Amino acid sequence: NAGVMQNPRHLVRRRGQEARLRCSPMKGHSHVYWYRQLPEEGLKFMVYLQKENIIDESGMPKERFSAEFPKEGPSILRIQQVVRGDSAAYFCASSPSQTVTIKGYTFGSGTRLTVV
Amino acid sequence: KQEVTQIPAALSVPEGENLVLNCSFTDSAIYNLQWFRQDPGKGLTSLLLIQSSQREQTSGRLNASLDKSSGRSTLYIAASQPGDSATYLCAAPPPGTPLVFGKGTRLSVIA
Repeated sequence: NAGVMQNPRHLVRRRGQEARLRCSPMKGHSHVYWYRQLPEEGLKFMVYLQKENIIDESGMPKERFSAEFPKEGPSILRIQQVVRGDSAAYFCASSPSQTVTIKGYTFGSGTRLTVV
Repeated sequence: KQEVTQIPAALSVPEGENLVLNCSFTDSAIYNLQWFRQDPGKGLTSLLLIQSSQREQTSGRLNASLDKSSGRSTLYIAASQPGDSATYLCAAPPPGTPLVFGKGTRLSVIA
């Protein structure tokens, strides 16, 4: 069981470029959550997805940010026209359907985005 | 809206000491409470998960307790070691909501 896989581990983008962050949940998990951790701050929830559905995007900035979790393939967090303030660590977590209360959440190692 | 507070924000102790980290939450209608460890520049590692019906969980030198009615959890670390140095995070989700994290306690264990 490979756990939650995130790639790339580190991503450098110039201002105005697009950033794509990928998350492959644990095998058998159909719920994916994205969190952002700004330097010296706590983890903030961004979006919660199930396969082909966005369940809760209350923590996602209204502009430039989008997320998807297609039927096949990893979940993608996409940031368009990045700005320096987007520099942060982005973490993905997954949980199994129907049993989240028992198993808890498993986190990936994160993608560290640096905007220059 | 769930709010999670962790005290202290930072803690430095000599090796071998027993210590307690505190976590409080405002909405006691939680499914469970999970303690994580985060090393600098790394991801989160789950340490302990306490179901809402449980009072405590133990794993090795770690013991976590949960008092739902008062909205509190503690993480007890026995005989601390330099390798325990990390940031410790707690998260307590009410039903149907994503994890809400505290800002963490940054622990340094001095050899």
